[in-house]
Amino acid sequence: GAVVSQHPSWVICKSGTSVKIECRSLDFQATTMFWYRQFPKQSLMLMATSNEGSKATYEQGVEKDKFLINHASLTLSTLTVTSAHPEDSSFYICSARDSNLVSGEQFFGPGTRLTVL
Amino acid sequence: KQEVTQIPAALSVPEGENLVLNCSFTDSAIYNLQWFRQDPGKGLTSLLLIQSSQREQTSGRLNASLDKSSGRSTLYIAASQPGDSATYLCARTGGTSYGKLTFGQGTILTVHP
Repeated sequence: GAVVSQHPSWVICKSGTSVKIECRSLDFQATTMFWYRQFPKQSLMLMATSNEGSKATYEQGVEKDKFLINHASLTLSTLTVTSAHPEDSSFYICSARDSNLVSGEQFFGPGTRLTVL
Repeated sequence: KQEVTQIPAALSVPEGENLVLNCSFTDSAIYNLQWFRQDPGKGLTSLLLIQSSQREQTSGRLNASLDKSSGRSTLYIAASQPGDSATYLCARTGGTSYGKLTFGQGTILTVHP
């Protein structure tokens, strides 16, 4: 149980295009999902908190118009990188918090490697 | 600012050794602390979660402890194996960042045969 998937696992796109990344909780409901960004040899940086049925909460310094987040159901959140540029190239990881667990444990997806040419 | 620090940054040990990874945090108002493993180019695998009311958790060869008063958690790995080689991350929730995980920088572990 507690499986989180991400799609795609990797994507290469041209500068100026938009890329959508999906995060799904496969066997549990997640009222809250989180999006992280990870640079090489660095730890994870929280970008935003995605809440089902409401607007995402972005961390300081993260452009909400650049990184669009939609959490339309209890099992799916999407991150769209709009007008991507080479500096957006990174490893993007999502996590989902099981709504039924008091512990608040988060389960992570396998990540999406984005390369912008 | 809440910070999480992991020591050492890197560790190389021969197979079979018992080892300890350290994690310290600045805010004792912790909700829970999680230990993760990350293999190169992969996502995170949750290893152990310790809630604030708990002192330790065990899973197989892994044991994690939590001491809120000193702001420390340790991950003990018994009888290390080459397959344990990975980056180990600790992360906390709680305090002013309720619900959000604050990560340490990780410890890169290499277990050589």
